[in-house]
Amino acid sequence: NAGVTQTPKFRVLKTGQSMTLLCAQDMNHEYMYWYRQDPGMGLRLIHYSVGEGTTAKGEVPDGYNVSRLKKQNFLLGLESAAPSQTSVYFCASNRKSGGAFFGDEQFFGPGTRLTVL
Amino acid sequence: RKEVEQDPGPFNVPEGATVAFNCTYSNSASQSFFWYRQDCRKEPKLLMSVYSSGNEDGRFTAQLNRASQYISLLIRDSKLSDSATYLCVVNGVGLGGSYIPTFGRGTSLIVHP
Repeated sequence: NAGVTQTPKFRVLKTGQSMTLLCAQDMNHEYMYWYRQDPGMGLRLIHYSVGEGTTAKGEVPDGYNVSRLKKQNFLLGLESAAPSQTSVYFCASNRKSGGAFFGDEQFFGPGTRLTVL
Repeated sequence: RKEVEQDPGPFNVPEGATVAFNCTYSNSASQSFFWYRQDCRKEPKLLMSVYSSGNEDGRFTAQLNRASQYISLLIRDSKLSDSATYLCVVNGVGLGGSYIPTFGRGTSLIVHP
């Protein structure tokens, strides 16, 4: 199993350009997440999905859109990139847990390092 | 007040030392708690879950105090390889009853010879 993969690993954009980050997981997980990590800020949730065809906003959704057309893929789009979106983006997934212990281990992709000039 | 707070450190300790980190959370309805480890420029990985009764895994011990709303991580006999950032994660309830994690900013640990 490859686990969680992210494409691309690095990208440099100019202000106003658009791009899509792809996250794929082969663990049949229900939940998928997109985070951004900035120095001194920790991981902040951008959007998440609890299943195919469903998405929801996280803590910092502005400037981003997402889609989950297939269970294994979660796409993050930047329609008009801004320098404030320079960051490391991590995708994560976990299974749906309904037992007495709520929540489950998240598995992360290796990250995408995005620079917006 | 941020939902999950951690002392960013760095904690600079010699090999063999015992070091403890605390993490406080503001949402009393939080359901589950974790410690993740993140090495420089790498993705976070689960270190251990935190159970109500506390749990231990080798040199690592995690505790939960619901009354005071904090979790702790104790590392005994520190190794050079323990140098990393330790992220506290607290799960709250999100869309459709899902469990949405909130990460602390992390505590940096540096273990020196």
